[in-house]
Amino acid sequence: KAGVTQTPRYLIKTRGQQVTLSCSPISGHRSVSWYQQTPGQGLQFLFEYFSETQRNKGNFPGRFSGRQFSNSRSEMNVSTLELGDSALYLCASRTSGGSDTQYFGPGTRLTVL
Amino acid sequence: KQEVTQIPAALSVPEGENLVLNCSFTDSAIYNLQWFRQDPGKGLTSLLLIQSSQREQTSGRLNASLDKSSGRSTLYIAASQPGDSATYLCAVGGGRDDKVIFGPGTSLSVIP
Repeated sequence: KAGVTQTPRYLIKTRGQQVTLSCSPISGHRSVSWYQQTPGQGLQFLFEYFSETQRNKGNFPGRFSGRQFSNSRSEMNVSTLELGDSALYLCASRTSGGSDTQYFGPGTRLTVL
Repeated sequence: KQEVTQIPAALSVPEGENLVLNCSFTDSAIYNLQWFRQDPGKGLTSLLLIQSSQREQTSGRLNASLDKSSGRSTLYIAASQPGDSATYLCAVGGGRDDKVIFGPGTSLSVIP
């Protein structure tokens, strides 16, 4: 079974631009969560999607948004990029509920100049 | 609000030593606790998942325990090897806000 895949792996953007990251979960997994990882803040939860609906949300500004498609693939969008958005963005999938194991993708490294 | 802490923040041990990593959480209403390993610049690899009804899980040289009532988990690594060098993170799932919350991690270095 293929693992969680994320594209692109690396991105360089400038302040004010917007970016879209993509995540394909493990086949059969309906839940996709997104995390931001920075040296200063560690791993922070952005949001979780389940069956195309946002099920949970972290404490990030509205510039961070996401969506999930009917095939469970998910995209995350960041608008009006700021320098502080530079981070490793990780996506994780699981079968459905809170008791399931999360499987992580390799991440997308975003650098904002 | 669930808060997760890990002690120590960094650890350096000689090869072959047994070691314990600690994870503490403030809200005991959790579904599970998961231990992950992260190599520099890479994603996370799941090591062990303990459900809230379980006390411990074992995989090879790794053993994780969970004490929900005291809000603690430990990851025991036996006979450490240089290949074990990585950052180890614990994550608690569920809680009153039903989110997965990660600790800051313990950076482990095993010296040959």
